[in-house]
Amino acid sequence: SQQGEEDPQALSIQEGENATMNCSYKTSINNLQWYRQNSGRGLVHLILIRSNEREKHSGRLRVTLDTSKKSSSLLITASRAADTASYFCATGGGFKTIFGAGTRLFVKA
Amino acid sequence: DSGVTQTPKHLITATGQRVTLRCSPRSGDLSVYWYQQSLDQGLQFLIQYYNGEERAKGNILERFSAQQFPDLHSELNLSSLELGDSALYFCASSPDSGRSTDTQYFGPGTRLTVL
Repeated sequence: SQQGEEDPQALSIQEGENATMNCSYKTSINNLQWYRQNSGRGLVHLILIRSNEREKHSGRLRVTLDTSKKSSSLLITASRAADTASYFCATGGGFKTIFGAGTRLFVKA
Repeated sequence: DSGVTQTPKHLITATGQRVTLRCSPRSGDLSVYWYQQSLDQGLQFLIQYYNGEERAKGNILERFSAQQFPDLHSELNLSSLELGDSALYFCASSPDSGRSTDTQYFGPGTRLTVL
């Protein structure tokens, strides 16, 4: 079974709007990572948040982590058409990394 | 560009055949991971090698095998191919053997189509 499960499965927004994706996981973690995948391409690492962090920023990305609820969210502000991709959360590390099923984001120009 | 290379980019073959997928990790990375991504199964971990040794196995079929060579490149061998093996196969690399903070760097993938 998947450790991380993203919600929603798909999201369609207008350019300029903010996009929020959520990830829930089942067991305790040391950190949580978010990856992005453009259609048919390899995954690209976006950001890592450690279990003792509550929020982290990277450019237009903002990640939060609530270990009490075993959940994380990824916020993309001022979205662009180029942000159209699938976004995955991942827990564990090394061979123990488990990727969620992903959220497909479509940003309309 | 992640620095991980995979060849070939596309592969079309028939059921029952055998193919070899190749991966070169980022310079300096000792770990190589193989994943299979299909529409109905998501991203599935197959196997990991670290510095030439098998480190972990995931959902890898017995018809599949892999190895990592002294120069750290890796090959994934798929045999007795079935229609259901059609998928994207990704290789990823990381510097270490499996620390929880390891970021994995993914190659562009090989799209395998079994007809």
